[in-house]
Amino acid sequence: DSGVTQTPKHLITATGQRVTLRCSPRSGDLSVYWYQQSLDQGLQFLIQYYNGEERAKGNILERFSAQQFPDLHSELNLSSLELGDSALYFCASSVGLASIGELFFGEGSRLTVL
Amino acid sequence: KNEVEQSPQNLTAQEGEFITINCSYSVGISALHWLQQHPGGGIVSLFMLSSGKKKHGRLIATINIQEKHSSLHITASHPRDSAVYICAVTGNQFYFGTGTSLTVIP
Repeated sequence: DSGVTQTPKHLITATGQRVTLRCSPRSGDLSVYWYQQSLDQGLQFLIQYYNGEERAKGNILERFSAQQFPDLHSELNLSSLELGDSALYFCASSVGLASIGELFFGEGSRLTVL
Repeated sequence: KNEVEQSPQNLTAQEGEFITINCSYSVGISALHWLQQHPGGGIVSLFMLSSGKKKHGRLIATINIQEKHSSLHITASHPRDSAVYICAVTGNQFYFGTGTSLTVIP
């Protein structure tokens, strides 16, 4: 058990819909990272928050947004869903920045868009 | 253009063999991570490196910053080592390799 909690574990929805994925980091970790893993693209970095502020941005679509709340949990919002958004979405946390600390991953949220 | 290249893509070994997985990168980095992903999806961080060498049990990771290259070694491989091993680098953002699928046969 990494200490990182992601909900929901599985989600099935239709094209055009909006979903919210939630991540609770390990106790004491200030950084939260979101990643997308699809069969054809592998793991891709979406976005990082550090202590409530956006720290780094990767290949995150404009239809996607995220935030980190004062209690340090984070939410990833995916809107106007397309078939290609079907993927496993991972959250990870670390004490500080990824350059100085180990990453701890949640079990992922599997999103299926029909 | 792939910022991170891993080799080999697939690897099959007999139990007990010494295994090496390579990772080359083309961007400036502040750290390199080796990750392990078992069937079923969970990801575990094995190492975080910014220089030199680290060892955990039968796993050894090295990095050469000048050559932009890292290696993950598994000594005395075991079937439970069967997994996908992923190299990731972090600088301004994360870049991932496509992974090396390792199967260790008893």
